[in-house]
Amino acid sequence: AQKITQTQPGMFVQEKEAVTLDCTYDTSDPSYGLFWYKQPSSGEMIFLIYQGSYDQQNATEGRYSLNFQKARKSANLVISASQLGDSAMYFCAMRPNTNAGKSTFGDGTTLTVKP
Amino acid sequence: NAGVTQTPKFQVLKTGQSMTLQCAQDMNHEYMSWYRQDPGMGLRLIHYSVGAGITDQGEVPNGYNVSRSTTEDFPLRLLSAAPSQTSVYFCASSYGPGQYGYTFGSGTRLTVV
Repeated sequence: AQKITQTQPGMFVQEKEAVTLDCTYDTSDPSYGLFWYKQPSSGEMIFLIYQGSYDQQNATEGRYSLNFQKARKSANLVISASQLGDSAMYFCAMRPNTNAGKSTFGDGTTLTVKP
Repeated sequence: NAGVTQTPKFQVLKTGQSMTLQCAQDMNHEYMSWYRQDPGMGLRLIHYSVGAGITDQGEVPNGYNVSRSTTEDFPLRLLSAAPSQTSVYFCASSYGPGQYGYTFGSGTRLTVV
């Protein structure tokens, strides 16, 4: 069974500062992917960034980076230079490479960016 | 625009009624999934499909049926609606494993009274 834990229900960050959203996971699958999704107040789900379990380097996508520590089973999302439009719910998810239809999501972190 | 289309966007059902939530994608994705999102919570997997004709249960399948007769369509059927099924339902598709994240539909907000 897979499990995703996001321990921060809510986070605040000042505009233009960096913020880290925590995610830990548990799985028995040897090969998997870790994902972060953004859900603005409008409700849609947006794919942000991916990290493979065998990737040696941390993933980056623009202002988003994923701090992957495999031994600690953590996959934290770092948002640099926060913008007001980054205010949203953020979900960490994991998916085994043996089944791309079956992701497990955390309960999410609500990020509020203050002007 | 290419993507995942869900209909309807909103629906109110009476307890015991049945209905089908529609989901269609035009990206030729093999993998499709249905999730429900309850207030303040993450997404829980209801059913998923790894290709036309192949479906399987997720974490919370009771009260729901699916079928996948074509690559494009993956409808979700509520057999006899219950208030506990009040939720937001998302359909998602993916090209495959690896770096391919989900593309989500816009969601269906379902209320069962």
